[in-house]
Amino acid sequence: QSVLTQPPSVSAAPGQKVTISCSGSSSNIGNNYVSWYQQLPGTAPKLLIYDNNKRPSGIPDRFSGSKSGTSATLGITGLQTGDEADYYCGTWDSSLTARVFGGGTKLTVL
Amino acid sequence: QVQLQESGPGLVKPSGTLSLTCAVSGGSISSSNWWSWVRQPPGKGLEWIGEIYHSGSTNYNPSLKSRVTISVDKSKNQFSLKLSSVTAADTAVYYCARDTQITMVQGVSNWFDPWGQGTLVTVSS
Repeated sequence: QSVLTQPPSVSAAPGQKVTISCSGSSSNIGNNYVSWYQQLPGTAPKLLIYDNNKRPSGIPDRFSGSKSGTSATLGITGLQTGDEADYYCGTWDSSLTARVFGGGTKLTVL
Repeated sequence: QVQLQESGPGLVKPSGTLSLTCAVSGGSISSSNWWSWVRQPPGKGLEWIGEIYHSGSTNYNPSLKSRVTISVDKSKNQFSLKLSSVTAADTAVYYCARDTQITMVQGVSNWFDPWGQGTLVTVSS
């Protein structure tokens, strides 16, 4: 059971938009910053978003992040088949004194 | 740019000790970053194991703390993981990653980037 809760799967058609939620508590998301990772099949995770909504260089602006209260959201617009991957949120948990991740969300582009 | 590469045995016997090394290239392990280990059991999500700073300071996941040791070798620009008393539940892909963390008034900011390619460790007799 992960500390952060994500939907197991989401799907949308090419060109459409999808959002992936990440729910936590005041000890983690509520008082710390969130990062997001993309894991393509058979590869290592890759940083997509840090500090709730900042994109590293090289990450297209189709990817966006936001945070409100104890939840965070990853948005992907203009979906492409190459976006099919598992997506994870992560943050620091002050009560556990540990870095924590969500359980991951599998994105299918129909 | 910084690159990380894990190495170590792919098979460990139950009750034994898992040992992995992460070589850092393209940058110094003595930079202002922490260095973490993260694992992923087959078909499951990510679990943070622990981190080390070049000074030798460490932080561990409380759920694994009693079995984990992370060390750093600045002369070789690498850091290592030891996990003792392993069981089949420790079978996973183990990743090393650079861990950037900043403590701000609004909270702790941290992210993992880049990651190594990962190495599968199987615990089996």
